[in-house]
Amino acid sequence: NFVLTQPHSVSESPGKTVTLSCTRSSGSIASNYVQWYQQRPGSAPTTVIYANKQRPSGVPDRFSGSIDSSSNSASLTISGLKTEDEADYYCQSYDTSTLWEVFGGGTKLTVL
Amino acid sequence: EVQLVESGGALVQPGGSLRLSCTASGFTFNNYWMTWVRQAPGKGLEWVANIKQDGSDKYYVDSVRGRFSISRDNANKSMFLQMDSLRVDDTAMYYCARRAVAGWSNWYFDFWGRGTLVTVSS
Repeated sequence: NFVLTQPHSVSESPGKTVTLSCTRSSGSIASNYVQWYQQRPGSAPTTVIYANKQRPSGVPDRFSGSIDSSSNSASLTISGLKTEDEADYYCQSYDTSTLWEVFGGGTKLTVL
Repeated sequence: EVQLVESGGALVQPGGSLRLSCTASGFTFNNYWMTWVRQAPGKGLEWVANIKQDGSDKYYVDSVRGRFSISRDNANKSMFLQMDSLRVDDTAMYYCARRAVAGWSNWYFDFWGRGTLVTVSS
């Protein structure tokens, strides 16, 4: 089984671009799709990216996802940052060996 | 509109039991895997259990296997989590989520409920 590691916190200014990382500890990042969930304070999570780079309807194109096999990591990039993007972001993937869903520890994004 | 509504959360003593419910609407419930995910206060998301469309396959995280049981009632568009031998570290907000296909042997959680709070304390 593997672990997904995310930085604990990231800060950036409104209007800027930020990239959040999610590194897989073992096995290839390309083995299973990576999803990203946004959780605003006091609210349930919502999906912002699924299948590495797909955006659900209603998610603005300021949000984009990618994977990098060389660093064995996935990334969520948010451009044109808005204060409303301030939230916790979790990456998630599926472990086909254990049949478990795996979440990263989450990154707290501060926009100020 | 897809809606998932959890209920059943409460304050319970260590060693006690609780049964959570998730009621679905706005989609064909028996077409989807369903999931429970929990979040301890101030902590991250933790997957708890999955159940297949017809209830024939169930998977659990190690920390709850043998103590928790996931089930569903497709006729009433509901999913349940029976929690026994509860421990203090089971204290969390429990979310139900719909598990959608993202690709071959890949899924994601496309809709989430608002959660129900379980507190285990003496």
